[in-house]
Amino acid sequence: NAGVTQTPKFRVLKTGQSMTLLCAQDMNHEYMYWYRQDPGMGLRLIHYSVGEGTTAKGEVPDGYNVSRLKKQNFLLGLESAAPSQTSVYFCASRWNSNQPQHFGDGTRLSIL
Amino acid sequence: GENVEQHPSTLSVQEGDSAVIKCTYSDSASNYFPWYKQELGKGPQLIIDIRSNVGEKKDQRIAVTLNKTAKHFSLHITETQPEDSAVYFCAALGPTAGNKLTFGGGTRVLVKP
Repeated sequence: NAGVTQTPKFRVLKTGQSMTLLCAQDMNHEYMYWYRQDPGMGLRLIHYSVGEGTTAKGEVPDGYNVSRLKKQNFLLGLESAAPSQTSVYFCASRWNSNQPQHFGDGTRLSIL
Repeated sequence: GENVEQHPSTLSVQEGDSAVIKCTYSDSASNYFPWYKQELGKGPQLIIDIRSNVGEKKDQRIAVTLNKTAKHFSLHITETQPEDSAVYFCAALGPTAGNKLTFGGGTRVLVKP
């Protein structure tokens, strides 16, 4: 009964390094989302996907890329990390527009 | 696009009292309004939701009301308990591509024993 699983849970990067955050869901959901959560700013949508092989930009996409090669996985990439990308990143998924959105427990990313 | 405002940003209540959190939204086409509870170190968890064809929904100690005309919805928690202490987020979903939720800024609720 895993639901939405995010890896890694914590990571510290140096400015300019790259990394990929992985989100995996075992609920056969079509829609997947990446958010960042900063103090006092709630959840802001970075990128999303409406199905395997599709991606689209959200509210704050700059500096990030995503891929959805398999239905169950949604990857978030940082090509050249910047201190402004220090945040907690949440992945979410939903089956269709009439179903609730389920969240993972987050990845805490610090960029020095 | 949709804009959701949430008030208050912090709320302190005595155990046993009620807590009310209010949200307003801007897009009259929004039709689904979930509420999430986020505990420390965890992701948001859905606690209750309401659709635009319903004015009120209850689940034990929590209830949500929706006023479509005024474009606002509220979360009501009765008989608060210490385990209700968390951050609560409201959200609104409109009929846009990707069915994207727009979240309010969150309310930190502290229930004092």
